[in-house]
This record gives sequence, structure tokens and C-alpha cells, in this order.
Amino acid sequence: DAGVIQSPRHEVTEMGQEVTLRCKPISGHDYLFWYRQTMMRGLELLIYFNNNVPIDDSGMPEDRFSAKMPNASFSTLKIQPSEPRDSAVYFCASSFGSGGLVEQFFGPGTRLTVL
Amino acid sequence: QKEVEQNSGPLSVPEGAIASLNCTYSDRGSQSFFWYRQYSGKSPELIMFIYSNGDKEDGRFTAQLNKASQYVSLLIRDSQPSDSATYLCAVSLHQGAQKLVFGQGTRLTINP
Repeated sequence: DAGVIQSPRHEVTEMGQEVTLRCKPISGHDYLFWYRQTMMRGLELLIYFNNNVPIDDSGMPEDRFSAKMPNASFSTLKIQPSEPRDSAVYFCASSFGSGGLVEQFFGPGTRLTVL
Repeated sequence: QKEVEQNSGPLSVPEGAIASLNCTYSDRGSQSFFWYRQYSGKSPELIMFIYSNGDKEDGRFTAQLNKASQYVSLLIRDSQPSDSATYLCAVSLHQGAQKLVFGQGTRLTINP
């Protein structure tokens, strides 16, 4: 398996623009997570899905952020409008929840810079 | 108080020595504990997990858990330069629960 795939790997945009980050989880995994990592706040869970259904979005910072999982192999995280404070590395991770062990496999991340 | 706390470091250890990384957590009901390693510019990867009080060994790595003190640690024996990375402690409330809370991470440098 290719692992968790994220695109784009780097994104530079201007304040106010819409940003869409994409993720393809590992085939067969039933959990998908979106994280944000910054120097100041570390690695924060934004939202996670189980079988394509959002379970916990309490980490989503505000209404400008939204996430969808239309099917088992694709998820998006959208920021509209983007702000400079959204600059961070965004990781997508997936796991197989029925396996007992909670091992999350992380994608390579998307480095977002909002000017 | 942060839910999961780690010293940010940097922690500098000579090659061949034992590196000791520490983590405390605030929720006494936490059940599962994980150590992730993150190389600079890369994504986190799981290296150890522990559910029960005591020690768990895997090669050069030992995880130690003390639920009474709400403390979990990671020991790396015979440290190698390739162990230089940031180590993230993560905690979940229930065994098998998917939601993890991560600490800020400790940056470890192994000096040749």
C-alpha cells in the first residue's frame, strides 16, 4: 500500500483565499483524522471520521474550517477564507479501528502558508 | 494545565548513552499511551505503546507507565545519531479509543 496520500504537499496562498487540502487514507482503514501542527500549539486534532461519518469536530477552530468525507477513500479539509494564523502543517492520518491497537498512520502533510 | 505535558528540550545525549523522555497527563481515566517519533520535516510514526503499569521493552526502547503518578516515559538504550528526532507522547481516554491527545514533543539530539 502507498500509505496515506495528501495533496498538495505545499500550498502558498493569500489571505482571504479558499484553501482545500486533500487526503486519501490507507485502503481498509475505517478512521480518518485531520491534525494541524504548529510550533506554538504542537499537534492538534481538528476532526475525525469513522466510516465516513464525522465523530468529533471539537478541535475545528472556527466556522472557516470544514471537512468532508464523501467516501471511504477521500477526504477534504477546507479553509474559507484563509488567514495568516492558519499557516501550519496539516496532517491526515488513518487507522483500522477494529484491530484493537490504536495505531494511526500519518500522511506526509501539507505545509500551508497564508500570506 | 495542558492535558499532556512534555519537556520541549532540546535534550542532548551522547551516543551510546541512555536517553530518557518523560510525559505527564492530567486525565486520571486515561487508558492507553503512545510514543511517536517525528524526524524533522517528516510525519509522526508510532514506535511504542503501553496499556498497563510497568515496563514494556521493544529492542532498544522501553516504555514505562505509572498510572498512580500519571506519568509515562520512554527510555532509549545505546542511543544512536539516527535517534535524533522529536518524540511525541500521546494519550487516549479508553483502550481502543481512537482519539489521541498529543504532547508538545521533546526534541532529542544524539551527539556522536
